[in-house]
Amino acid sequence: RKEVEQDPGPFNVPEGATVAFNCTYSNSASQSFFWYRQDCRKEPKLLMSVYSSGNEDGRFTAQLNRASQYISLLIRDSKLSDSATYLCVVNGGRGSTLGRLYFGRGTQLTVWP
Amino acid sequence: NAGVMQNPRHLVRRRGQEARLRCSPMKGHSHVYWYRQLPEEGLKFMVYLQKENIIDESGMPKERFSAEFPKEGPSILRIQQVVRGDSAAYFCASSPLAGGFNEQFFGPGTRLTVL
Repeated sequence: RKEVEQDPGPFNVPEGATVAFNCTYSNSASQSFFWYRQDCRKEPKLLMSVYSSGNEDGRFTAQLNRASQYISLLIRDSKLSDSATYLCVVNGGRGSTLGRLYFGRGTQLTVWP
Repeated sequence: NAGVMQNPRHLVRRRGQEARLRCSPMKGHSHVYWYRQLPEEGLKFMVYLQKENIIDESGMPKERFSAEFPKEGPSILRIQQVVRGDSAAYFCASSPLAGGFNEQFFGPGTRLTVL
């Protein structure tokens, strides 16, 4: 079983739409959770960290459910510039694996005018 | 403050040659991570280093691959006797603090092509 599983999409939505991405992770010891964004052939960049209480940053809202090991990202009022691949990321959890990050394969989003 | 630097950005090698990938972390960061991204795949952890120490190399193939982060100079990922399956994007990341609790800042990657 993969450490992080995401729906690869693609999601094609019009400007202004609301879109939601989900992912699940397998390691119950994971303690840190993130959404990264990766533009085509570029490096991943942190979009936001994800906390158990849920957190919001402008048009972006992230939620974490530890019991079901489920992470979500909601994007409201989509912009053309939101077109990218969104990566669900969790850390290794314990001991020597604490430093490593596990990446999902990514969910591709295209926002059209 | 310059970001994470990687060079070369593109590297072409023939089967059997050696590939050396370099990574300079952000200023003040002493923790370096290497990840590999195969075509159409997610990023896979390879190795985590702190200055002069390998903390976790369990994601790195035991043969042909090695990594170092000397006291002075960049971190080096070395691949000996490359094969076509090594063709991938190799990303380096750095962080100021230990572990995966905080953001890891990624470099632009080195795209290795093995002919």
